Amino acid sequence: GQQLNQSPQSMFIQEGEDVSMNCTSSSIFNTWLWYKQEPGEGPVLLIALYKAGELTSNGRLTAQFGITRKDSFLNISASIPSDVGIYFCAGFGGSQGNLIFGKGTKLSVKP
Amino acid sequence: DGGITQSPKYLFRKEGQNVTLSCEQNLNHDAMYWYRQDPGQGLRLIYYSQIVNDFQKGDIAEGYSVSREKKESFPLTVTSAQKNPTAFYLCASSTTRLTSNQPQHFGDGTRLSIL
Repeated sequence: GQQLNQSPQSMFIQEGEDVSMNCTSSSIFNTWLWYKQEPGEGPVLLIALYKAGELTSNGRLTAQFGITRKDSFLNISASIPSDVGIYFCAGFGGSQGNLIFGKGTKLSVKP
Repeated sequence: DGGITQSPKYLFRKEGQNVTLSCEQNLNHDAMYWYRQDPGQGLRLIYYSQIVNDFQKGDIAEGYSVSREKKESFPLTVTSAQKNPTAFYLCASSTTRLTSNQPQHFGDGTRLSIL
């Protein structure tokens, strides 16, 4: 079945640094979603992308829908300790059009 | 406040027991979903429902059952046939499904453990 390859698997950064993570797929997606999950909680939607080439910001977060429709990236600028969590990309695909998730990027921020 | 409520937060199951996880939403969403999350893995779809009295199997439906008798509620039963039930279970909902690729919104999950 379709898979999303999300990288890096984990990141350890200093407070104030910028962060970049990405997702790639072997097939085309029509929608890309980025979620953040904190320990013991459900994922929270950060950004939704619907058009190839679309660049969308949400505060210090910026995400782009790749022009090939097979990739997306998420940037976090000037990281702070509360950015800690697992970030998931997701796209609609599969034989039934279901939402497919990457395995997540675990972000740790050192004050 | 509108949202998705999952209960209980923690659940323990004995071998051979069935257990039911609750999911309620007051967002007036048509579609609801159940996912399983294991450490280091992405979310995997168990079952989904597009409308009341209808539901479909996801990628890992074996050992699970659901019902959708009301729009607001989509309970998941983990049966004794599920041999590795220990996981974090997440319920989600969206306004519609397939036709408009609407984002899914999640509850805070139920952690199921085997005694």
